Amino acid sequence: GAGVSQSPSNKVTEKGKDVELRCDPISGHTALYWYRQSLGQGLEFLIYFQGNSAPDKSGLPSDRFSAERTGGSVSTLTIQRTQQEDSAVYLCASSFEGVYGYTFGSGTRLTVV
Amino acid sequence: AQKVTQAQTEISVVEKEDVTLDCVYETRDTTYYLFWYKQPPSGELVFLIRRNSFDEQNEISGRYSWNFQKSTSSFNFTITASQVVDSAVYFCALGRGGSQGNLIFGKGTKLSVKP
Repeated sequence: GAGVSQSPSNKVTEKGKDVELRCDPISGHTALYWYRQSLGQGLEFLIYFQGNSAPDKSGLPSDRFSAERTGGSVSTLTIQRTQQEDSAVYLCASSFEGVYGYTFGSGTRLTVV
Repeated sequence: AQKVTQAQTEISVVEKEDVTLDCVYETRDTTYYLFWYKQPPSGELVFLIRRNSFDEQNEISGRYSWNFQKSTSSFNFTITASQVVDSAVYFCALGRGGSQGNLIFGKGTKLSVKP
C-alpha cells in the first residue's frame, strides 16, 4: 500500500482481556518495527523484524507481549491479560533493509479500562 | 549506553519568531545516525531529516535548518519564521550504525506557535 496501515485505530478493552493489533507495512519494506508511546512520553521500542532473521524482541516489556510477522508482510502485536499500564498508542513503522528514516503508521490507541 | 535528551518539554512562540529545539545524544558508537520527526496533532510521525555521524555539514530545507556538532553531541533544529502549522511535538532520535534498526527517541518537545 501507499503507507503503513494500522488497525484498529482505537481499541478499548477490559482489564484482563487479550488484544491483537495489526500492522500492514509498505509493500516491499523488509523491516518492521513496533513502538509504544505513552501519554507525554517518547517512543519506546518494542520489537523489530528484519526479513527472515530472528526478530529483536529486546524491547518487549513482559511475556504478556508477543508479535509475529507472517509471510514477511503483515504483523500482529498481541497483548495478553491486558493491564491498565498497557494503555498507550502503539505505533508500527517499516523501511527497506538498512535504510533509516522509516515510515510510521497512524497508530492504534489502546485504552484498558 | 545510548540516550537522547530533549531538555525542552514545551516551547511557546508567536508566529514569525525563530525557534530552536535542542537535542543532545550519548553513544559510544563511532557510526550512528540522528533523526528528527514531527508529530502533529493528528498523531502520525513525519520523518524530517537523517544525518550520519560522518557528515557534520549543517543542512537547510526551507524554513528548517539543523546544526550537528559532534564536539558537543548535539543535533539542534531551528525553525525560522515559525508558522501556526509548525505546532507539533518534535522528536529527536538516535540510530546505531550497522544492521540494528531500532531508534532511541527523546521524550519530545511540544512546540506551540500562536498567531
